[in-house]
Parts: sequence; structure tokens; C-alpha cells
Amino acid sequence: GAGVSQSPRYKVAKRGQDVALRCDPISGHVSLFWYQQALGQGPEFLTYFQNEAQLDKSGLPSDRFFAERPEGSVSTLKIQRTQQEDSAVYLCASSLAYANTEAFFGQGTRLTVV
Amino acid sequence: AQSVTQLDSQVPVFEEAPVELRCNYSSSVSVYLFWYVQYPNQGLQLLLKYLSGSTLVKGINGFEAEFNKSQTSFHLRKPSVHISDTAEYFCAVPANDYKLSFGAGTTVTVRA
Repeated sequence: GAGVSQSPRYKVAKRGQDVALRCDPISGHVSLFWYQQALGQGPEFLTYFQNEAQLDKSGLPSDRFFAERPEGSVSTLKIQRTQQEDSAVYLCASSLAYANTEAFFGQGTRLTVV
Repeated sequence: AQSVTQLDSQVPVFEEAPVELRCNYSSSVSVYLFWYVQYPNQGLQLLLKYLSGSTLVKGINGFEAEFNKSQTSFHLRKPSVHISDTAEYFCAVPANDYKLSFGAGTTVTVRA
């Protein structure tokens, strides 16, 4: 596709449920990022992939959060045993180069934990 | 780590009036600076970026920003806004080679 695609757009999960959020980056983009955007806040960095290698996961809030990009293209962000504080919009971005001179963002997945 | 501060959380403005959104950054070294826009229920779209060169940067949709090193600012301006400019605007700076640090955002509401 022409842009970064994320699915699902909306997800409602019961507390304790596991969820998986998908990101299809722009074809050929080396770098892939996940950000978390709480209501009324700016995006906060979660993790960074360069091809299939996860080079930085320092922003993941807890060990319930796990991200992968096994073939250097599609990425999945998994949240185990969801909690209400996990409710947020999860944004995926990709960029052609290794440096972040221009990152293209997807529309996000809005996760609501009830 | 580098960071940005957006000085206004909400900016109401009438259609066809000018608007300025303020952003200050913290850095003693050369910086890249970005402005992103987020329309309701959408992802982030790059409005403009400063990497080097001319301090006046022109972006999409008639927006422009001026990099001011002495005041460590990167304010966003548009001389005449439209209803369709109603959105959240984020200033951002690289925290390192790959990740961005975003401001808290400024909500612009354009009224007829």
C-alpha cells in the first residue's frame, strides 16, 4: 500500500485479555517504530526495529508488552493480560532510512480496556 | 535528552484569522525539528521539518515555521486558517538517532 497500515483500527478488550496489534509499514522501509499515545498526550516511544532486529525496547511499559518483526516487514505489538492503564492509541511509523529525518505514521489502533 | 515544550494546550481561532502555535526546544547542539498534525481519529502527518539551511521552513497546507536558535523556538504559523485546520498539532525533536520526543500537543479549533 501507499502508506503505513494498522489493524484493527479499534479494539475493545476485557481486562486480563491478550491483544495483538498489527502494523504493515511502507514497502522497503528499514525502520519501524511503535508509539503509545494516551488521551490528551503526545506520542511516547515504545520500541524500534531496524529490519528484523529490535534495537531498542526501552519504552515498553512492562514485560506484558512484546513486539516482533520477524521478517523485517510486518510488525506485531502484543499486550498480555491487558490492564485499564493500557488504554491508548498505539501508533506505528516507518522510515526509509536509519535516522529519523522523516517517519510516516499509520492511523493508529485505539485500544480500550474495560 | 532533547525535548520540546508546547506553550499552548488549546488555541481557538476564527476562520480566515492567523494562528501561531508556540514550541520551544531544549538543546545546546544542532537540532532537527518537526511539526506533525493529527486530524480527528487519524494518525500523524508531517507538516514540515527543519534539518538545516534556511530558518524559515514552508510546509503543506500553507503552514510555515521559523527556527530561532537564540530563542530556542520553532513556532508554527498560518496567515489564514480554514475550518479544515481543526486538529491537534505536535512539535517534535529527535531524542536520539531514531526516536522522536513529542510535545504534549496544541488543539486548534477553527470556528466560522
